[in-house]
Amino acid sequence: NAGVTQTPKFQVLKTGQSMTLQCAQDMNHEYMSWYRQDPGMGLRLIHYSVGAGITDQGEVPNGYNVSRSTTEDFPLRLLSAAPSQTSVYFCASSYTRQGNTEAFFGQGTRLTVV
Amino acid sequence: GDSVTQMEGPVTLSEEAFLTINCTYTATGYPSLFWYVQYPGEGLQLLLKATKADDKGSNKGFEATYRKETTSFHLEKGSVQVSDSAVYFCALRDGTSYGKLTFGQGTILTVHP
Repeated sequence: NAGVTQTPKFQVLKTGQSMTLQCAQDMNHEYMSWYRQDPGMGLRLIHYSVGAGITDQGEVPNGYNVSRSTTEDFPLRLLSAAPSQTSVYFCASSYTRQGNTEAFFGQGTRLTVV
Repeated sequence: GDSVTQMEGPVTLSEEAFLTINCTYTATGYPSLFWYVQYPGEGLQLLLKATKADDKGSNKGFEATYRKETTSFHLEKGSVQVSDSAVYFCALRDGTSYGKLTFGQGTILTVHP
């Protein structure tokens, strides 16, 4: 059972370049989310999805796009990379059953924008 | 909006010492509360959780009790090991925001032999 898989693990971009961070889960979870982790700030929510075809903004959505065409995949697109987007990005999937909930995280993508 | 505040770190302890990491929260309604752990170079793993007031979550010797009257969810362990060295995050999910977690800043724990 692979869980949540993120690719790539590391990436260096030049300012202005675009790229897509991939996230896939094989647990048939309805909810998926993207977070960025910055020193001293914990994890902040970028975008999330409550099911295929449904996405919404989180706390820090500017400069990022998402789509959810299937239950399994939730890619994060950086439209025009900026140094402020240098961070570690985590994808998570989660379920809620009868009030019980748990989120599962990928291994992260470390992105540097120069 | 929702927020989570953790004690300032980093925390450095000797093996077998007692650990407390403070966590307080602000939320509307009845949130679920979580502690996640991140080992070096890895993603976050759920350590324990509590879904209603007075619940105690426990796992691997760690415990935390959901205190609604003090809006707190402090993490404790009676005797830490070197292998507990990691970053610990307190988080909440409010009653309606499925799939969305609000995290504290994280606390770096280092345990020396």
